[in-house]
Amino acid sequence: DVKVTQSSRYLVKRTGEKVFLECVQDMDHENMFWYRQDPGLGLRLIYFSYDVKMKEKGDIPEGYSVSREKKERFSLILESASTNQTSMYLCASSLGGSINTQYFGPGTRLTVL
Amino acid sequence: AQKITQTQPGMFVQEKEAVTLDCTYDTSDQSYGLFWYKQPSSGEMIFLIYQGSYDEQNATEGRYSLNFQKARKSANLVISASQLGDSAMYFCAMRVTGTASKLTFGTGTRLQVTL
Repeated sequence: DVKVTQSSRYLVKRTGEKVFLECVQDMDHENMFWYRQDPGLGLRLIYFSYDVKMKEKGDIPEGYSVSREKKERFSLILESASTNQTSMYLCASSLGGSINTQYFGPGTRLTVL
Repeated sequence: AQKITQTQPGMFVQEKEAVTLDCTYDTSDQSYGLFWYKQPSSGEMIFLIYQGSYDEQNATEGRYSLNFQKARKSANLVISASQLGDSAMYFCAMRVTGTASKLTFGTGTRLQVTL
């Protein structure tokens, strides 16, 4: 079974703090993704990576950066957290190729005070 | 640009009945894939079913089937014999070939199964 894990289920940070959200997958997937989920808006893609050290912006990259130094690990970084970044963050991974179902981690609910 | 529309914010269904969750999509691409995910209250997104744009038959996975009507650009999820454990948020998503498997999600439908 594909397993995607995220470092924390719940996280509380203060405005201005630097925040790291970690995601690890154990299936040797090429692609990894970070989404945020807000009520009434569905999931929106922040960044994705299709290989080590490769990344592309998604639909809402402002205020975020990412790092992928190893194939299995994809980190989302909030350089200076703000209250409007309070949200559920979901990581996903998938194989490359034409039929590439994304498999999700359990999510991190981040609250920025 | 791709867009997914789910017009039902919430649905109720009685246990053991079938329910259809609506999804319409918009794309000018000929090659694409449609996905349904379930999100229980625990938060994890669970993959349910996939339909490719060139698949001639509707996809089925156990109690889940996808009613794919290409001309109408709809990809409705049908859950047969609903169970209490089906209570969750359901998201429809689309991937366009060549976009590094990026998914565009709808806003979701909350399904509540009652006794």
